[in-house]
Amino acid sequence: DAKTTQPPSMDCAEGRAANLPCNHSTISGNEYVYWYRQIHSQGPQYIIHGLKNNETNEMASLIITEDRKSSTLILPHATLRDTAVYYCIVRVNAGGTSYGKLTFGQGTILTVHP
Amino acid sequence: EPEVTQTPSHQVTQMGQEVILRCVPISNHLYFYWYRQILGQKVEFLVSFYNNEISEKSEIFDDQFSVERPDGSNFTLKIRSTKLEDSAMYFCASKAPTGNSPLHFGNGTRLTVT
Repeated sequence: DAKTTQPPSMDCAEGRAANLPCNHSTISGNEYVYWYRQIHSQGPQYIIHGLKNNETNEMASLIITEDRKSSTLILPHATLRDTAVYYCIVRVNAGGTSYGKLTFGQGTILTVHP
Repeated sequence: EPEVTQTPSHQVTQMGQEVILRCVPISNHLYFYWYRQILGQKVEFLVSFYNNEISEKSEIFDDQFSVERPDGSNFTLKIRSTKLEDSAMYFCASKAPTGNSPLHFGNGTRLTVT
């Protein structure tokens, strides 16, 4: 799976949009971009994923550049409860010799301030 | 919304003892995983399980570890002879059959080996 690069930490004011960047310049055509977060020592929580189109759900939006070499996770109105470690992970589809595992990096520590 | 459940939430054991960590994956999922996270470190992949057999395992998953799906609903991780360095959070995850579907994680079992 392609490697990802994320800033180690970011700050955001409560109520503002949090934009978390991720570089994945070696991504291949069949690899999806997944975002997870981990609040304190809880289990990683799935946020959103995409292949090449922008995606939106009730938690966040995912913007993937046209060349797919980078993406941005957007939390539109950050709250204090969004303070967490955010992981950007690239993964191939499960099937064949791939069984869909995710490889976690260090992620970005997002701190939302009042 | 269906979720992955893990029991117990906290397990304390003495070095050399056997422990079994239990997980109930989401009911229609076919791929199953164990991860661990030592305090302050990354979330690390241990093993994936599909079609009643191990599909992939990491270097961490040595002979003292085993996994089983004994009754079609539970998924267990056994550590045969625990060591101090096995102290960690252990997360179970499951995934639906669709290739690009995300992993869903439980909230973990904190294992403390004394």
